[in-house]
Amino acid sequence: DIVLTQAPATLSVSPGERATLSCTANQTLGTYLAWYQHKPGQAPRLLIYDASNRAPGIPARFSGSGFGTDFTLTISSVEPEDFALYYCQQRANWPPYTFGRGSKLEI
Amino acid sequence: QVHLQESGPGLVKSSETLSLTCTVSGDSVGRHYWAWIRLTAGKGLEWIGRVFVAGSPDYNPSLKSRVAMSMDTSKNQIFLRLTSVTAADTATYFCVKDGTYGSGTFGSWGQGTLVTVSS
Repeated sequence: DIVLTQAPATLSVSPGERATLSCTANQTLGTYLAWYQHKPGQAPRLLIYDASNRAPGIPARFSGSGFGTDFTLTISSVEPEDFALYYCQQRANWPPYTFGRGSKLEI
Repeated sequence: QVHLQESGPGLVKSSETLSLTCTVSGDSVGRHYWAWIRLTAGKGLEWIGRVFVAGSPDYNPSLKSRVAMSMDTSKNQIFLRLTSVTAADTATYFCVKDGTYGSGTFGSWGQGTLVTVSS
């Protein structure tokens, strides 16, 4: 199985600041990586697919980049509603599709 | 807009079978792949498998011996069965639409249902 390592486990920022989350794979993924946002008690939400494509309705402050084994999710200016858990997920090599353990964005 | 709603017992006894239903509205289950994904304290998010109206389902190799997925197109529902459960199967189970932007991208999720395995 492909292992995705997310860093940091917790990122503390203030509203208005830039947040950068990392996802590293133990095998090359090309661009087959997605990012999800999850708030407890809610349905997870797809933010980015294929490394850099924003899903419909996702604000422009969210951006994704990367290729191969190293990927980044950037929130250019964090809003209060962005405090949540963020997961990366690969679809390059399956079964199974796999997820990272998540990064918590907190104030 | 598609809506997915998971339902089923919130408590299952160890060694018994977990059975969940996902009721889909706003889309036809016969037109897409549908997946089950769970969130556990021990492993985080884990893909369980996916089902389509044709062909055989695809399962996570780690769960393949215990899992079965199916659908009822007349009721627009997806089903999950997981046998011989243990405490490690305690999780929030999500029903998910697969393939929104290519196979293996999960564009629509249910809110999830918490299943606790008791001894």
